[in-house]
Amino acid sequence: SYVLTQPPSESVAPGKTARITCGGNNIGSKRVHWYQQKPGQAPVLVVYDDSDRPSGIPERFSGANSVNTATLTISRVEAGDEADYYCHVWDNGGDGVFGGGTKLTVL
Amino acid sequence: QVQLQESGPRLVKPSGTLSLTCDVSGDSISSGNWWSWTWVRQPPGKGLEWIGEISHSGSTNYNPSLKSRVTISVDKSKDQFSLRLISMTAADTAVYYCARVSLTYGGNPVDSWGQGTLVTVSS
Repeated sequence: SYVLTQPPSESVAPGKTARITCGGNNIGSKRVHWYQQKPGQAPVLVVYDDSDRPSGIPERFSGANSVNTATLTISRVEAGDEADYYCHVWDNGGDGVFGGGTKLTVL
Repeated sequence: QVQLQESGPRLVKPSGTLSLTCDVSGDSISSGNWWSWTWVRQPPGKGLEWIGEISHSGSTNYNPSLKSRVTISVDKSKDQFSLRLISMTAADTAVYYCARVSLTYGGNPVDSWGQGTLVTVSS
């Protein structure tokens, strides 16, 4: 089965840039989605199809995907960005696969 | 804007069966081929796990690790879809989310989620 690997945690100072990675075999050939989940809440889609943003998501959220790593970038990080972030793809069999999640801490 | 709401028992006995329903409002399940409907769960303190999906036509796809125990069905007349998971164990204790998959984008993201319901397996 397809596996997505994320670092368990990342930390960043307010105003700086956070980068969260999602590794997978030839992930560059798939379309990657990213979700933000705050404690006690449902996930929220923040980036879809590698680099597109749903309406209402700040431009500070962006994504990229190449070869074996997809990256979610959050610019000018704010305290409200502190959350868990999950990457997601559909594998070749049409099964949903989530990464293990990355806890972003704003220092 | 679509809204999804899970309902069902919060406590299931070991070896029992979980039955959850997701009510869809703000849009109709029958509104077209733009969506499919999915269940995702999250054990306490852990990550997200995809359970399975049902399409507009009723075709299903399940997580291979759960396939022998799970059934997802849809009732278009009620704008509901449902999850049934048999032979429950403590490892199935989790928050269960129903959600919508958007087929209008190339990669089919999950664009709307229910609030989730915590299901505990315990005697």
